[in-house]
Amino acid sequence: KAGVTQTPRYLIKTRGQQVTLSCSPISGHRSVSWYQQTPGQGLQFLFEYFSETQRNKGNFPGRFSGRQFSNSRSEMNVSTLELGDSALYLCASSPPGTGASSYNEQFFGPGTRLTVL
Amino acid sequence: AQSVTQLDSHVSVSEGTPVLLRCNYSSSYSPSLFWYVQHPNKGLQLLLKYTSAATLVKGINGFEAEFKKSETSFHLTKPSAHMSDAAEYFCVVTLNRDDKIIFGKGTRLHILP
Repeated sequence: KAGVTQTPRYLIKTRGQQVTLSCSPISGHRSVSWYQQTPGQGLQFLFEYFSETQRNKGNFPGRFSGRQFSNSRSEMNVSTLELGDSALYLCASSPPGTGASSYNEQFFGPGTRLTVL
Repeated sequence: AQSVTQLDSHVSVSEGTPVLLRCNYSSSYSPSLFWYVQHPNKGLQLLLKYTSAATLVKGINGFEAEFKKSETSFHLTKPSAHMSDAAEYFCVVTLNRDDKIIFGKGTRLHILP
């Protein structure tokens, strides 16, 4: 099985722009979660989608949004970029199982490194 | 408030010696606990997980961790370090009551030849 893929791998934007990141989960996985990783704050949970619905959300401003499509692929959008949004954005998918995906193992993609100038 | 603390930001051990990466958590409810490893420029990979079964959990690559409720700890150990173990390790707590996922700040493991 192919792993979680994220595109693009690297991205450079300027302040005020918006950006869309894409994540394709492992085939058969319906839960997709997004994380922001920075040297200062570490790994922080952004949100989780399951069957096209946002199931869980972290403490990020409304500039961060996401969606999931019927094929479980997910996109994350950040509007009005700020310098502090520079980070590695990780996507993870979880296999089907009982209960919430947070109980299950998560399979991570390699991440998209976003640099905001 | 729920939290997870990795007590060391950096740990250095010589190849062939034991590894101990420490993790303490704070939770009012029954947690699920995970250790993930991140090699440079890679995503995270699950090493092992505890979900209220056996308190001693064995993972991949010779790692294991013991859940100690009285100490609210979930330390990661390996009897003999290998150069390929050099990476960053994350302790993760998920809280069964409200599905919050909390990552520790990470411990960077250095292996000395």
